[in-house]
Amino acid sequence: QLQLQESGPGLVKPSETLPLTCSVSGGSISSMYSGTYRWGWIRQSPGKGLEWIGQVHSGGTELNPYLRSRVTISVDTSKNQFSLRLKSVSDADTAVYYCARLDSGGPGDYWGQGILVTVSS
Amino acid sequence: QSVLTQPPSASGTPGQRVTISCSGSSSNIGRHTVNWYQRLPGAAPKLLIYTNDQRPSGVPDRFSGSKSGTSASLAISGLQSEDEAEYSCAAWDDSLNGFWLFGGGTKLTVL
Repeated sequence: QLQLQESGPGLVKPSETLPLTCSVSGGSISSMYSGTYRWGWIRQSPGKGLEWIGQVHSGGTELNPYLRSRVTISVDTSKNQFSLRLKSVSDADTAVYYCARLDSGGPGDYWGQGILVTVSS
Repeated sequence: QSVLTQPPSASGTPGQRVTISCSGSSSNIGRHTVNWYQRLPGAAPKLLIYTNDQRPSGVPDRFSGSKSGTSASLAISGLQSEDEAEYSCAAWDDSLNGFWLFGGGTKLTVL
């Protein structure tokens, strides 16, 4: 059974960079990386709806146009992980961040449990 | 700016049928299929409906989805207390080089 687990700091200061990692177990990213699957990040800020941040696959990355200038998503197949870096964070970036496996039809059955990240000085 | 509009809340009593709407536009629902997600309190979202009306394995047939034009709906029949959750629709949007767009979420309360 594929499992995803987010890790990273729970508190980040304004203007700094938020680094998050998603560790995948129960399956190999590399075997799925070259296929139809994407590995992505989705967040939910307090009182707001889900927001797709972006996704990475063998063909490259696709990013939310409203976050594109601040987001980097990468894959480390040797560690079976993929990562998110969100720079220049502000209060508006306080959210629960989820990693997920997506396909052409969008976020699917496999999500991490989520990690709460608070932006505060 | 593209949006998928959902009512912020909905409610029903056990056994009732409840419908949650998701209104979009020609750049998203009008051109692409819709997914629905259920997020129980404290849990990650779970895929409930994909490609407008398809249920993943394990999802009860009490849950059904439909799409017409630029709108979609999620129906829950035989409402149960464990259905109390947040429900969100999602669709690909073609604007600005494309991105996945979620609705604002509907909090369903079982009275």
